[in-house]
Amino acid sequence: AQSVTQLDSQVPVFEEAPVELRCNYSSSVSVYLFWYVQYPNQGLQLLLKYLSGSTLVKGINGFEAEFNKSQTSFHLRKPSVHISDTAEYFCAVSDEIGAAGNKLTFGGGTRVLVKP
Amino acid sequence: GAVVSQHPSWVICKSGTSVKIECRSLDFQATTMFWYRQFPKQSLMLMATSNEGSKATYEQGVEKDKFLINHASLTLSTLTVTSAHPEDSSFYICSARVSSLSKNIQYFGAGTRLSVL
Repeated sequence: AQSVTQLDSQVPVFEEAPVELRCNYSSSVSVYLFWYVQYPNQGLQLLLKYLSGSTLVKGINGFEAEFNKSQTSFHLRKPSVHISDTAEYFCAVSDEIGAAGNKLTFGGGTRVLVKP
Repeated sequence: GAVVSQHPSWVICKSGTSVKIECRSLDFQATTMFWYRQFPKQSLMLMATSNEGSKATYEQGVEKDKFLINHASLTLSTLTVTSAHPEDSSFYICSARVSSLSKNIQYFGAGTRLSVL
């Protein structure tokens, strides 16, 4: 079984400041890792993913995340946020060699509020 | 990129009626679709995994007779909330996995907000 923990439920940040959203996971097998963003009353949009290879992953909208296997973390960062980055962010994992369907397990979400 | 269309985006119904939500993959074939439920300010909870041409696999605690899932084609899955009650009010989101080697990437619909009066 897998689990995902997003340590911060809310992160207020000023515009143009950096932001880091923390994500830790637990799994007995190798995993794929994802960050999704959800704007109000919308579905989820994939920001970035780690499947294999370089542990530093760059995604859309200037976001990047680093996979740290020893710390079982996949923290998301952006060096300078915009007002439009205000949204809910979800970290998710799925196992590499899973049962049919390869289900995603989501963290509890982190609400980012960018202030002017 | 892969586009998933979900319809309707918002539905209000009376208690006791049934509501059908459609999830379509517009530019790819999806052998597997997923249905999630999201309560306000909470994360997504997987309800069921839908495989084309076979019965859906429901997560523990999800009533399969209450939430009927049909995946009759490679581009369409439907979720029917039968005899809806106010406690079924929620945000329902579907996702689809590309049938080729996609390494578990799911593409999400925009969601359906169900309000049961």
